[in-house]
Amino acid sequence: EAQVTQNPRYLITVTGKKLTVTCSQNMNHEYMSWYRQDPGLGLRQIYYSMNVEVTDKGDVPEGYKVSRKEKRNFPLILESPSPNQTSLYFCASKQNTEAFFGQGTRLTVV
Amino acid sequence: SQQGEEDPQALSIQEGENATMNCSYKTSINNLQWYRQNSGRGLVHLILIRSNEREKHSGRLRVTLDTSKKSSSLLITASRAADTASYFCATVDYTGGFKTIFGAGTRLFVKA
Repeated sequence: EAQVTQNPRYLITVTGKKLTVTCSQNMNHEYMSWYRQDPGLGLRQIYYSMNVEVTDKGDVPEGYKVSRKEKRNFPLILESPSPNQTSLYFCASKQNTEAFFGQGTRLTVV
Repeated sequence: SQQGEEDPQALSIQEGENATMNCSYKTSINNLQWYRQNSGRGLVHLILIRSNEREKHSGRLRVTLDTSKKSSSLLITASRAADTASYFCATVDYTGGFKTIFGAGTRLFVKA
């Protein structure tokens, strides 16, 4: 089954404690991206990757890092999380146009 | 940053009625897409309309695109309670990269 898998689905952490949210897709898509969703703001793109070893900033990259060492994986790294990064995060992948989304990671930073 | 905008922000209708949502965008586009999101879950692709198309249909969905006004509309006909969800438009900003821009979404509530 074609899918994008994010882990964990829920995470509560403390300010400053590094964390990684994993994302994996099994569709051999070249384009992968991370979004955060906040009430009233829709989805905002954090980072995207056009292919292995190619990453670019989206609209809200501050406080986040990503890597794309393999085509299927695109982890999101928060080196020092802060409360304003409390949000719902989505990973997505696509080949041409239609994007496939993961089920989301609800992150709370206290 | 550039951001698409949808209106209305929220829409409540009775089952069987039609629902129309609008989206405006700021960049030149190759295509525009509409997605649906059930509460707190991942988005699901609904329909894509290319920049050289003015209207497209898929089942009960009808999408229009006016590139001169940089706007699109999504019409859901004969709505059902199961259509209750948030709907987002999305475009790609090709100026200096390949950023994907989503609108803030329209929350649709269909009453049975």
